[in-house]
Amino acid sequence: DSGVTQTPKHLITATGQRVTLRCSPRSGDLSVYWYQQSLDQGLQFLIQYYNGEERAKGNILERFSAQQFPDLHSELNLSSLELGDSALYFCASSPKFNNEQFFGPGTRLTVL
Amino acid sequence: AQSVTQLGSHVSVSEGALVLLRCNYSSSVPPYLFWYVQYPNQGLQLLLKYTTGATLVKGINGFEAEFKKSETSFHLTKPSAHMSDAAEYFCAVSAFMDSNYQLIWGAGTKLIIKP
Repeated sequence: DSGVTQTPKHLITATGQRVTLRCSPRSGDLSVYWYQQSLDQGLQFLIQYYNGEERAKGNILERFSAQQFPDLHSELNLSSLELGDSALYFCASSPKFNNEQFFGPGTRLTVL
Repeated sequence: AQSVTQLGSHVSVSEGALVLLRCNYSSSVPPYLFWYVQYPNQGLQLLLKYTTGATLVKGINGFEAEFKKSETSFHLTKPSAHMSDAAEYFCAVSAFMDSNYQLIWGAGTKLIIKP
């Protein structure tokens, strides 16, 4: 158990809908990273937050957004969902001044 | 810019045989290097990491990796494969960009263990 929690574990929704994925980092970790893992694209970095502020952006679509709240939990919002958004979404956290990331169990999103 | 190349998207070995998963990186500064493992339907878990010091790094489950600066490699090995080693393995290099640490990931190698 990495100490990173993600909810929900599974999510099934329809095209065009909007969903929110939630992540709670390890106690004391200030950085949160979001990743998308699909069969054809592999592991793709989406976005990073540090202590409530956006720090780095990867291959995140404009339909997707994220935020980190004062209690350091983070949410990833996916809107206007398409079939191709079906994937595993992982959250990871890391301590300050440390480059090791600790991963949550992921949320499996299925868009029908 | 840093990059990571994992040779072979799938590697198949027999149970009891040597496991060798290859990782090469490019980095303009001394790298921090990582191997993560992902078991089916689970998140990624750190296997081992190299920061400084001894170039042979031992990790969990009998895995080890050797940092070879001259070859820009960080290959993962295990002397004797076990069925439970079947998983996907990711190599990553740490990049310090804009006062921030990020991991640059390889594409992953699926390890298949034949009975």
